[in-house]
Amino acid sequence: GQQVMQIPQYQHVQEGEDFTTYCNSSTTLSNIQWYKQRPGGHPVFLIQLVKSGEVKKQKRLTFQFGEAKKNSSLHITATQTTDVGTYFCAGIKGAQKLVFGQGTRLTINP
Amino acid sequence: GAVVSQHPSWVICKSGTSVKIECRSLDFQATTMFWYRQFPKQSLMLMATSNEGSKATYEQGVEKDKFLINHASLTLSTLTVTSAHPEDSSFYICSARDSVGLSSHGYTFGSGTRLTVV
Repeated sequence: GQQVMQIPQYQHVQEGEDFTTYCNSSTTLSNIQWYKQRPGGHPVFLIQLVKSGEVKKQKRLTFQFGEAKKNSSLHITATQTTDVGTYFCAGIKGAQKLVFGQGTRLTINP
Repeated sequence: GAVVSQHPSWVICKSGTSVKIECRSLDFQATTMFWYRQFPKQSLMLMATSNEGSKATYEQGVEKDKFLINHASLTLSTLTVTSAHPEDSSFYICSARDSVGLSSHGYTFGSGTRLTVV
């Protein structure tokens, strides 16, 4: 079945450093979504990528969708303490079901 | 934006009892809702798809008789953990998507229910 692999599992950075998490799917994705979950909280939708090679930016966050629509990345420039949390990518399985990657837990040393 | 309300936020119950968790879409209608389970420091695992007016669809390995799902209206889905045991202790989260809204909107998640079975 469809699997979404995400690396790294953990990432610890100094405040101000950059951060990147990568997602790979075993099958072509119709689209990919990214979510952020703060410690003790619930996932919050960040963005959806649909087109092959698509790049979207949200302030310091840059999201990319691979040309083959099998991989994606999230890059955060100059991390801040408010960026702490776990970042999940998720692909759509079947009609509507979200299949989540394992998540990358980001911690930041202020 | 779309809001999903989930109650209770946390619950402690005795082993062998049942616990009901509610998930409501507050400002949109959701013909489909999803129930996830999340263990500490792990990802979200889809348990079942809740369909309004029909039976839920369970993922492989999820016991439908243990995790009863009811979706009686377009704004309410409930998950009942029956005969709970300590291994059922987990974080349960529901989600829904406003299908009438923009297609670029993601899924909205409830705040989750932390279940502890003692």
